[in-house]
Amino acid sequence: AQSVTQPDIHITVSEGASLELRCNYSYGATPYLFWYVQSPGQGLQLLLKYFSGDTLVQGIKGFEAEFKRSQSSFNLRKPSVHWSDAAEYFCAVGATNAGKSTFGDGTTLTVKP
Amino acid sequence: EAQVTQNPRYLITVTGKKLTVTCSQNMNHEYMSWYRQDPGLGLRQIYYSMNVEVTDKGDVPEGYKVSRKEKRNFPLILESPSPNQTSLYFCASTALARGANVLTFGAGSRLTVL
Repeated sequence: AQSVTQPDIHITVSEGASLELRCNYSYGATPYLFWYVQSPGQGLQLLLKYFSGDTLVQGIKGFEAEFKRSQSSFNLRKPSVHWSDAAEYFCAVGATNAGKSTFGDGTTLTVKP
Repeated sequence: EAQVTQNPRYLITVTGKKLTVTCSQNMNHEYMSWYRQDPGLGLRQIYYSMNVEVTDKGDVPEGYKVSRKEKRNFPLILESPSPNQTSLYFCASTALARGANVLTFGAGSRLTVL
């Protein structure tokens, strides 16, 4: 069965500092991997996805993530955090062509001025 | 505009009173799904549908029903709601072509069962 672990429930960073959110997955084959962001009171929006190819993927809002098969990880990074990045972030793993995605429990990001 | 529309956005009801949360998408997506979001538990899948008349249980289906009579609609039915179904519900859809699988989410429906 596929699963996703986000080890950090809550992270606080200062505005302008770098950010890394951790994600570890368990999946039997090459996974589809996603990061979604949920701003307060909103639905989830896709930040980036990995299907195949280059293991470093770029997303919207200056985010990037790196797929590391040996570590079963797909960590999300941003070099300089903005106050508007405060939100909840979800990592997800999906089966190929099947639609079903399994989500991690989420990491809440707080940005200090 | 491509979107997933859920209604109602907010609902307070009482134990045992049947309710339906509607979900509609305008992207001709084959796959639709319902999730519930609870603090500390992330998103848990309730039911999903791979196409018209094809539905299957997710991880937490107890107490819920769904139907998929038309491609665009996927209503979530609570026949006899209980307080433990108080939650934030999201509907999502995606195409099933290779390289797709990116879920488009509705804005959410916050349900309170007293």
